[in-house]
Amino acid sequence: EPEVTQTPSHQVTQMGQEVILRCVPISNHLYFYWYRQILGQKVEFLVSFYNNEISEKSEIFDDQFSVERPDGSNFTLKIRSTKLEDSAMYFCASTGLPQIGEQFFGPGTRLTVL
Amino acid sequence: AQTVTQSQPEMSVQEAETVTLSCTYDTSESDYYLFWYKQPPSRQMILVIRQEAYKQQNATENRFSVNFQKAAKSFSLKISDSQLGDAAMYFCAYRSSNTGNQFYFGTGTSLTVIP
Repeated sequence: EPEVTQTPSHQVTQMGQEVILRCVPISNHLYFYWYRQILGQKVEFLVSFYNNEISEKSEIFDDQFSVERPDGSNFTLKIRSTKLEDSAMYFCASTGLPQIGEQFFGPGTRLTVL
Repeated sequence: AQTVTQSQPEMSVQEAETVTLSCTYDTSESDYYLFWYKQPPSRQMILVIRQEAYKQQNATENRFSVNFQKAAKSFSLKISDSQLGDAAMYFCAYRSSNTGNQFYFGTGTSLTVIP
């Protein structure tokens, strides 16, 4: 059964450094998402992406964040200058039918900012 | 913004018994979707069950069923005949059918199944 995959599973970085989190959505899906979960808190929506552009973003998704689909398979989340409060689990998701369908989630990348 | 509340951070159930996980939500919309996702340790979230708000009938998937009370804005998950493989974090989620397709999640309930 097709799955969303994410790499790396755990990323440790120094404050102020750039990180890129990578996701491979399910191959025939066209809608992609990033969520994050700070330890002990809710899973929060960051951004949705369709047709090579952002379709929706939350207040969390400020200028330090960007997303890209650099090729036909990868979907990336870049944090330009990481802060301590960016430490969280980041989940990628995809769907083929956004209005009625479930979102398929990846296993997450745990980002630790020191 | 919509909010989803799961008031039980942890629950436990004896194998083969039944357990109910609670979820409430707050919305002014009349048309939306509700989901329960399961996240086993170190694994991705997978969909357990989905409910469309316009449907009065409670959704059922094998041993999993929901009690959807639209007026009370309550969406609880019942797991019957619990199995060891049901041990996981369970997230309740809301999605509007009108204002975009982002999910709003609760904080999750960690379910332990006791052999």
